[in-house]
Amino acid sequence: GAGVSQSPSNKVTEKGKDVELRCDPISGHTALYWYRQSLGQGLEFLIYFQGNSAPDKSGLPSDRFSAERTGGSVSTLTIQRTQQEDSAVYLCASSSQWDTQYFGPGTRLTVL
Amino acid sequence: QKEVEQDPGPLSVPEGAIVSLNCTYSNSAFQYFMWYRQYSRKGPELLMYTYSSGNKEDGRFTAQVDKSSKYISLFIRDSQPSDSATYLCAMSRGPNTGNQFYFGTGTSLTVIP
Repeated sequence: GAGVSQSPSNKVTEKGKDVELRCDPISGHTALYWYRQSLGQGLEFLIYFQGNSAPDKSGLPSDRFSAERTGGSVSTLTIQRTQQEDSAVYLCASSSQWDTQYFGPGTRLTVL
Repeated sequence: QKEVEQDPGPLSVPEGAIVSLNCTYSNSAFQYFMWYRQYSRKGPELLMYTYSSGNKEDGRFTAQVDKSSKYISLFIRDSQPSDSATYLCAMSRGPNTGNQFYFGTGTSLTVIP
């Protein structure tokens, strides 16, 4: 069956511009996670959705970052006024059980 | 101090070797321990999952957890070139605790034919 998909696969933007990253989870998965992966830094937790609500936003690094999920399915991560330090791979994962996450291929964001 | 520490490597071994990958952690509340494999430019995929202390075996892979030492290991027997990837450990306190997972930085492994 279809796995987690993310778009775009690559995004190059200029400093100060806004970007939107999209995640399509596996159908029926109620939990959705966003992570950021930088070289040598491992996976950094950003936000977790259960259904459409986000009980844990503790990982969002600043108020420039926001995320929403609609219809218990697609999620969008928005970064406003991008900075060079935002350059990373943004990974989305979905889960039907809290202990098993399925990851998408990621969006590689480069801020010039 | 990071919640989870993992030696980034890189680790290079000949085909057929036994590989040992390790992580240490500081939070004694962690109960669930996972290993993920990540190929280049792909998302991580779950390899092994264990609860509390003990060993778990799946084919050529064995996951080991020592909660008293706050130390987890992944052993790969008869390593193959296809095992070349980055291996990430992850851990969690469990359900109803914020559902947050903590990851190591990953160890890059190359298996040389």
